[in-house]
Amino acid sequence: AQKVTQAQTEISVVEKEDVTLDCVYETRDTTYYLFWYKQPPSGELVFLIRRNSFDEQNEISGRYSWNFQKSTSSFNFTITASQVVDSAVYFCALSEARTGNQFYFGTGTSLTVIP
Amino acid sequence: EAQVTQNPRYLITVTGKKLTVTCSQNMNHEYMSWYRQDPGLGLRQIYYSMNVEVTDKGDVPEGYKVSRKEKRNFPLILESPSPNQTSLYFCASMKGGLYEQYFGPGTRLTVT
Repeated sequence: AQKVTQAQTEISVVEKEDVTLDCVYETRDTTYYLFWYKQPPSGELVFLIRRNSFDEQNEISGRYSWNFQKSTSSFNFTITASQVVDSAVYFCALSEARTGNQFYFGTGTSLTVIP
Repeated sequence: EAQVTQNPRYLITVTGKKLTVTCSQNMNHEYMSWYRQDPGLGLRQIYYSMNVEVTDKGDVPEGYKVSRKEKRNFPLILESPSPNQTSLYFCASMKGGLYEQYFGPGTRLTVT
């Protein structure tokens, strides 16, 4: 079974629209961490955020915000007022303390922002 | 500059010819890992290492070997590559358990 599900394979939005990327995870561990990474067309992987299972506070960083809800096992990512530079593949990932730092990535969501 | 380096960046080889992809980090990180990225499958972990001489299998270890003799280096070895190992490979490191990983630039491997 997939531990991290990103159901949206591809999303296209027009510049300045808001967009939410969904991430649903599965774990029986009580201690775990969730991550988002960005992979722009140049190919490198860029860390965006890390969130532990005990901290359900939402986080905002500029135009980016993350909504962590343990009740629905979701860790969604919203980009406000999208820009062309946001075009990338975004990956959600999970790491469980129990398994000794094995990481599980989702299949990614490809976001295209149209000017 | 803090970084993870991988070599080579591009490699085309033939089935069965042993190859090694090197990975090195200069951040004194304890944890290192290898992933492969395939279309529609995201990133899948091949092997990871918590410290020198300590390695563990990830989700897709078959056909790969690793070693961690020094803290900074974590080479990925394909002893008998096959076409299904054609992929984009990433090495990553992090300073300890459950922190963010820093990724290398990737190695695109084609096995014919």
